[in-house]
Amino acid sequence: NAGVTQTPKFQVLKTGQSMTLQCAQDMNHNSMYWYRQDPGMGLRLIYYSASEGTTDKGEVPNGYNVSRLNKREFSLRLESAAPSQTSVYFCASTFAHGYTFGSGTRLTVV
Amino acid sequence: GIQVEQSPPDLILQEGANSTLRCNFSDSVNNLQWFHQNPWGQLINLFYIPSGTKQNGRLSATTVATERYSLLYISSSQTTDSGVYFCAVDAPGTYKYIFGTGTRLKVLA
Repeated sequence: NAGVTQTPKFQVLKTGQSMTLQCAQDMNHNSMYWYRQDPGMGLRLIYYSASEGTTDKGEVPNGYNVSRLNKREFSLRLESAAPSQTSVYFCASTFAHGYTFGSGTRLTVV
Repeated sequence: GIQVEQSPPDLILQEGANSTLRCNFSDSVNNLQWFHQNPWGQLINLFYIPSGTKQNGRLSATTVATERYSLLYISSSQTTDSGVYFCAVDAPGTYKYIFGTGTRLKVLA
């Protein structure tokens, strides 16, 4: 089925470890986004990519890096995980109207 | 940056009741979307509505861009409507949506 696929769905990291969250969409969308959602809060934008080859910081970029590998894929990397990065991470994509979200990655940093 | 406020923060309804959720934003916007996050965490786009009124079944939305607010109406609520409703806006000159903190809705059978 067409949509946004995120991997992994769950991950536990130790403080200081690194990891990459993967996101891929098969809808030929130009723009892709990474958000984090903390308990009781809305979604906060980490990074976005308006088109292939471009990336820009969002509201909370510190501690993260991104790569727009091609039009389909947009990855989020944590170089040195911290407990404050415990959250649910959502990837989204859009062409003109309306976001399509992935199912999320629940990340715990201990 | 642009601020997005949603009200009420929490809402409990009896099945069959109607409700209105509000989204206020602090500056001009290009686009506005409403989302529903179900109890399992899945986010679903309900409406893309930068202005005007749209309806989809029991749900409808109205955005008055000149007055910087949008309303989401839920009629004849069902238990499956439970979850969190988010409003998100896209400021002019940007490609990024900023989300409000949501309205948490619980519909009782």
